[in-house]
Amino acid sequence: KNQVEQSPQSLIILEGKNCTLQCNYTVSPFSNLRWYKQDTGRGPVSLTIMTFSENTKSNGRYTATLDADTKQSSLHITASQLSDSASYICVVISSGGYNKLIFGAGTRLAVHP
Amino acid sequence: ETGVTQTPRHLVMGMTNKKSLKCEQHLGHNAMYWYKQSAKKPLELMFVYNFKEQTENNSVPSRFSPECPNSSHLFLHLHTLQPEDSALYLCASSPGLAGIADTQYFGPGTRLTVL
Repeated sequence: KNQVEQSPQSLIILEGKNCTLQCNYTVSPFSNLRWYKQDTGRGPVSLTIMTFSENTKSNGRYTATLDADTKQSSLHITASQLSDSASYICVVISSGGYNKLIFGAGTRLAVHP
Repeated sequence: ETGVTQTPRHLVMGMTNKKSLKCEQHLGHNAMYWYKQSAKKPLELMFVYNFKEQTENNSVPSRFSPECPNSSHLFLHLHTLQPEDSALYLCASSPGLAGIADTQYFGPGTRLTVL
């Protein structure tokens, strides 16, 4: 069964600290993996897109990693800011002649001053 | 920020009401999507339109009826909803060249409450 599991479900950190969010998937065949950021009251916004051959991709203070062998991805946030408070959603695209999106439930991050 | 707009932003309706959600995209895209987002659950893809043709309907109950008159507008018509249909309804668009594998651009959503 195609699934995307994210952990932790929620996380509280202090401003300036780093954090890492996890995404494990059991999706086959794999096409690519995306991380989205969703601010409260807004729609999700794409942060990174990673294909099978990519191990790391950065977008400012956000760095995503992908291990296609273990089917794990992580999103590392460096020097967190209050504006990083949001839900972070991992999405895996499966391609088998018919593309399918499999969403994780998200990690809710709160950055406190 | 204003690439995909949705109206209304909030909607409260009774189970016997008929209402419609509207989505408009200003990005020149050819694909549009409706999603349902419930608390602590993954986004659920409801409908996909590509070049105004419905290409995906993920077993959505018939009380939800989509309409795509052109590539820039998408509607979701609601009637005889249930309280469990209360959720955030998100609209998205994408270029349409790679289908749902395209990067999608989301609107702010409509928060729907069914009493």
